[in-house]
Amino acid sequence: DAMVIQNPRYQVTQFGKPVTLSCSQTLNHNVMYWYQQKSSQAPKLLFHYYDKDFNNEADTPDNFQSRRPNTSFCFLDIRSPGLGDAAMYLCATSSPGDGFNEQFFGPGTRLTVL
Amino acid sequence: KQEVTQIPAALSVPEGENLVLNCSFTDSAIYNLQWFRQDPGKGLTSLLLIQSSQREQTSGRLNASLDKSSGRSTLYIAASQPGDSATYLCAVWGTGGFKTIFGAGTRLFVKA
Repeated sequence: DAMVIQNPRYQVTQFGKPVTLSCSQTLNHNVMYWYQQKSSQAPKLLFHYYDKDFNNEADTPDNFQSRRPNTSFCFLDIRSPGLGDAAMYLCATSSPGDGFNEQFFGPGTRLTVL
Repeated sequence: KQEVTQIPAALSVPEGENLVLNCSFTDSAIYNLQWFRQDPGKGLTSLLLIQSSQREQTSGRLNASLDKSSGRSTLYIAASQPGDSATYLCAVWGTGGFKTIFGAGTRLFVKA
């Protein structure tokens, strides 16, 4: 089945220790997104790629970076995690059409910062 | 700036009841609205997508409607089951590039 895969599902890191989260897709979608979701809140878009074009949200901290080496993979790098970065990180993909943009999500990575 | 609101934040119903979840948005210039389900600690599962030219979409016991002019969408769940217990989120895609704006969700609990 075509899907969006995130690894790891759970990540524990120490305050200030860099961490990388991974997302891969078999849908061959040209847009990939990274969202941060805290408890009982709406997912917050951090950035997205349209093919190789990177689009950063204005309020995404510089501490968050992303790489998309090819169509299938996208990575989220947190350079110096703080306690406030503990959250669920969601990867999504889409292939926008004429008047629609249906997003498909992975299972998420739960990040704990000690 | 688009804002999406879901009321109520939480809802508890007995099994078998029909129910309606509400979603409102402030800017009617949208291309589509998507409803998702999220189980605790999991990702989002797409339920239904309604394009701006459509009035409703149906999938099994779910029916979603869209009234773009009034900035409202509803998700109707027929004959609710305990397995429907989850958080339901709506999200709109509009004129701001590829950015999709989410509501905070309605947490549904269906009692057996």
